[in-house]
Amino acid sequence: SQQGEEDPQALSIQEGENATMNCSYKTSINNLQWYRQNSGRGLVHLILIRSNEREKHSGRLRVTLDTSKKSSSLLITASRAADTASYFCATPGVAGGTSYGKLTFGQGTILTVHP
Amino acid sequence: DVKVTQSSRYLVKRTGEKVFLECVQDMDHENMFWYRQDPGLGLRLIYFSYDVKMKEKGDIPEGYSVSREKKERFSLILESTSTNQTSMYLCATRPRVSGANEKLFFGSGTQLSVL
Repeated sequence: SQQGEEDPQALSIQEGENATMNCSYKTSINNLQWYRQNSGRGLVHLILIRSNEREKHSGRLRVTLDTSKKSSSLLITASRAADTASYFCATPGVAGGTSYGKLTFGQGTILTVHP
Repeated sequence: DVKVTQSSRYLVKRTGEKVFLECVQDMDHENMFWYRQDPGLGLRLIYFSYDVKMKEKGDIPEGYSVSREKKERFSLILESTSTNQTSMYLCATRPRVSGANEKLFFGSGTQLSVL
């Protein structure tokens, strides 16, 4: 079953605009991760936010985490055509549970940035 | 930088053939994973391995087996391929987890087509 689910499934914007993607999850987590995938390639880790953090920045990326709502958002500011990719959130299994050690990925958001 | 190498970028096989997908990493990571990625379904975990000769079933192990004889190599085996195994296969690695489920490093993927 999918732990993380992204919204929207697809997003199309112009260069320079901001892009916001959301992720919802179902069970308690100790961190949440975001990954990027260029078409036909492997995933690349972007950022990890821990359950005791509410916001984290990395360059043009801003990630928020609301554990009470079991949701996270990824904001890409001043987007560029090179940001065109699929973006996935991923959540780990809880310690002591049968899924511990695994990362579960959502279905992803396809972002298209038009020049 | 971590390098995760998957043996083939594209593979075309006929139904019933046996297929080995190989993944090699150069960073002495203990944990290795095999995912498959399908449109609309995201990434699904097939098998993972915590260390040499250890393996654990993921969410969709049916029709697959794995081998981890050496630390740097994790093989996914499709004993008798079927058309529903047409997919992108992604290998990932991670150092031993200290309790926080840290990030994964992915290979570039193998697109397998079963005719």
